[in-house]
Order: sequence, then structure tokens, then C-alpha cells
Amino acid sequence: GAVVSQHPSRVICKSGTSVKIECRSLDFQATTMFWYRQFPKQSLMLMATSNEGSKATYEQGVEKDKFLINHASLTLSTLTVTSAHPEDSSFYICSASRLAGAFYNEQFFGPGTRLTVL
Amino acid sequence: GENVEQHPSTLSVQEGDSAVIKCTYSDSASNYFPWYKQELGKGPQLIIDIRSNVGEKKDQRIAVTLNKTAKHFSLHITETQPEDSAVYFCAASPNQAGTALIFGKGTTLSVSS
Repeated sequence: GAVVSQHPSRVICKSGTSVKIECRSLDFQATTMFWYRQFPKQSLMLMATSNEGSKATYEQGVEKDKFLINHASLTLSTLTVTSAHPEDSSFYICSASRLAGAFYNEQFFGPGTRLTVL
Repeated sequence: GENVEQHPSTLSVQEGDSAVIKCTYSDSASNYFPWYKQELGKGPQLIIDIRSNVGEKKDQRIAVTLNKTAKHFSLHITETQPEDSAVYFCAASPNQAGTALIFGKGTTLSVSS
């Protein structure tokens, strides 16, 4: 159990276009979903925290108008990179959290989406 | 806020040897400490975790120890195999629903046969 999928796994787009990435929890309901960005040989950088039915909470320095997050249901969150530029090229990873016991959260990660902006 | 330090950044071992990766954290409110393995081009995979009411946890060749007083936790891999080669991340999280994990910078483990 606890499988998270992402789609697409890889996308190449032209500068100025928008790209949507989907994150789904396949066999559990996610109380919260998180979006991370990872540059080569670096750790995961949290971009935003997303709760179903409410606005996402963005980390400092992350432009909310550029990285639009929608969390429409307990199993689906989407990240839209608007007006993408080459500097947005990166590996984007989502994770989904479920309550395990009364107080503890486990997070399960999707396989990631490689975005290349030409 | 929480800060997680991870050492070493790279680790090379011979097949069959043990590997140890250490992390320290700063926020005494943190009480959930997972470890993730990430292979090239893939998302992180949860391999083991420990909670603050436990000092040690083992799963086959993998074990994690936690010292809450000293605020450090470690990953131990015994009888390493080439397929253990990957980047390993430790993380810490406080006891609040919906709180993001804070990650260490990762350790690249190379197991040579």
C-alpha cells in the first residue's frame, strides 16, 4: 500500500508555456500533499504544502502565482508551472501524507517529474 | 525552525561491509525520523523510520537508532550489496499533522563488489 503516482514522468516544453503535473495517492486518502523541487545532486527543497479544499501554503521565496497548486480531492493535487522558463527546469516531486496512529505522519513520495524548459 | 545535518556526504564501502550514516537535528519538538533511499531519476523511497518513543528499530539489514537527549539518529546498513548504492536522506518532523519533513542534504553511498 501507500503508492503515490505522478504524471507525466517527463516533460519538455517551450519557454512561455504552462505545464501541469498531477500527483495522486492511489490506495489511501492523503490528508496533506507536499511539493518539492530537487536540483541535481542536492536535497529536496519544499515548495508548498497543500491541504484538500484549502489554499496551499508556500515556502518563502516560492512564487505562488508562478507555481499554482490545486488540491481538489483527498487523492489528487496538481502543480502548474505557469509561463515556464529555462530556470524552472528541475525535478519536481510530490509526497502524500496520511495519519499513522493518533499523532504521527508518514510521507510517501511520487516518482518525480523531470521538467525541461527549452 | 528545524535544521537537520547529515554526515558524511559521500560514503564508499566494499560489498559485505557495514555503512553508517548519521544525522543531527535541532528542534526538540521533532519526534518522527524517517530515512529515504533515492535512486537516480526516481523519487525517494521510505526504507525505515523511527519515532521518539523508540530507541532502536531494525528491519533485516537496516537499523536505525535514536538518541533524543543528544538529538541524533543514525542509519546502519549491514552486509551491504551493490544494489544498496543510492543517495540516502534523513529527515525530521515535529508531532503535528500536515507538517512537512525537514531533510538532511543526503549521503551518496557507493558499494563496490
